[in-house]
Amino acid sequence: AQSVSQHNHHVILSEAASLELGCNYSYGGTVNLFWYVQYPGQHLQLLLKYFSGDPLVKGIKGFEAEFIKSKFSFNLRKPSVQWSDTAEYFCAVHRTGFQKLVFGTGTRLLVSP
Amino acid sequence: DTEVTQTPKHLVMGMTNKKSLKCEQHMGHRAMYWYKQKAKKPPELMFVYSYEKLSINESVPSRFSPECPNSSLLNLHLHALQPEDSALYLCASSRQGDYNEQFFGPGTRLTVL
Repeated sequence: AQSVSQHNHHVILSEAASLELGCNYSYGGTVNLFWYVQYPGQHLQLLLKYFSGDPLVKGIKGFEAEFIKSKFSFNLRKPSVQWSDTAEYFCAVHRTGFQKLVFGTGTRLLVSP
Repeated sequence: DTEVTQTPKHLVMGMTNKKSLKCEQHMGHRAMYWYKQKAKKPPELMFVYSYEKLSINESVPSRFSPECPNSSLLNLHLHALQPEDSALYLCASSRQGDYNEQFFGPGTRLTVL
């Protein structure tokens, strides 16, 4: 069974629309959470991360994510998307004490101008 | 320097060739990783090196042979590959410990003819 789930496989938005991408994981215990972005033809870049503390984390390029422990979720949000946000977005989970970073299946976002 | 570099950017090889992929980081990270990424899929972990020792092999076929000559370098030796091994091969590095923020290189796009 997939341990990190991204339910939205493809999302199409117009510029200035709001974005929310879902990420759920099925691990218990302490986790570190990440969102990575992969722009067309480019390498994976870290958007934001959560280790501990404030469950609302802010990342680069206006992105933020909220960790809801009771829901095992770490959803990515952006109030107003731009055409340049067109990319593949991957949620990733690291379980404390393990070396593996487990990626979700990814969400392909297309923003039309 | 927060960069992971990979060479070559592109590689085309026949099924009988032997080639190597190289990865380098100068962030003082002691964990290094090889991933395989097929089109429109998330990265799949292949190998993890921790303090220059192989700590995880995700049941990768022996035609892929990793090597970590020192703490800054990671190689992936390729021999007798199959066309289905064509993919983007990503290298990443991270500090040791429980925070596992991985920094990714741009990848080597491998085509096996």
